[in-house]
Amino acid sequence: GIQVEQSPPDLILQEGANSTLRCNFSDSVNNLQWFHQNPWGQLINLFYIPSGTKQNGRLSATTVATERYSLLYISSSQTTDSGVYFCAGGTAGNQFYFGTGTSLTVIP
Amino acid sequence: NAGVTQTPKFQVLKTGQSMTLQCAQDMNHEYMSWYRQDPGMGLRLIHYSVGAGITDQGEVPNGYNVSRSTTEDFPLRLLSAAPSQTSVYFCASTLGAGANVLTFGAGSRLTVL
Repeated sequence: GIQVEQSPPDLILQEGANSTLRCNFSDSVNNLQWFHQNPWGQLINLFYIPSGTKQNGRLSATTVATERYSLLYISSSQTTDSGVYFCAGGTAGNQFYFGTGTSLTVIP
Repeated sequence: NAGVTQTPKFQVLKTGQSMTLQCAQDMNHEYMSWYRQDPGMGLRLIHYSVGAGITDQGEVPNGYNVSRSTTEDFPLRLLSAAPSQTSVYFCASTLGAGANVLTFGAGSRLTVL
């Protein structure tokens, strides 16, 4: 299977700070997504981004498919951004592989 | 439109008992899948289905059984529960695995004593 490495594993930010989360894949994927797991355990899709750059409010993501990595940018962080961020890659064989996540804590 | 519905939310079993985790979606999604989430391990794929009557194994299929008799439902069966199956289980679906966004259920927390 595909190995998915996320960094950093843990991150503590002051409210208002910016951060960059990284996701590396051991092999090519054709479906790359970022998720936020809130403190209640719900997984919410943030981006579907197999290549290129997308922005949604204070969040943006960039995937460089040829180098098998993706970045998630969080700007002007808020306490509601706290939780765990996962990236996942889907293969042509219909299997999705998840990273172990980045746990983000935003303190007021 | 309820999305992906999982039941039960919580379950405690004794070793050797059997149970079924239910997953239903009302979005006419062809692709459905089950994951388990353990501390520090992220989510790992157990089984998946690309349509009614078609199922396949993921990364960690041992001890679990699935079937897909309708587009809407994808139950996960534990035939003889073991403490190693204590985990949080998530069901997810998408229109098709190729280029679509996964939608997750709220999760089912299972404890096997």
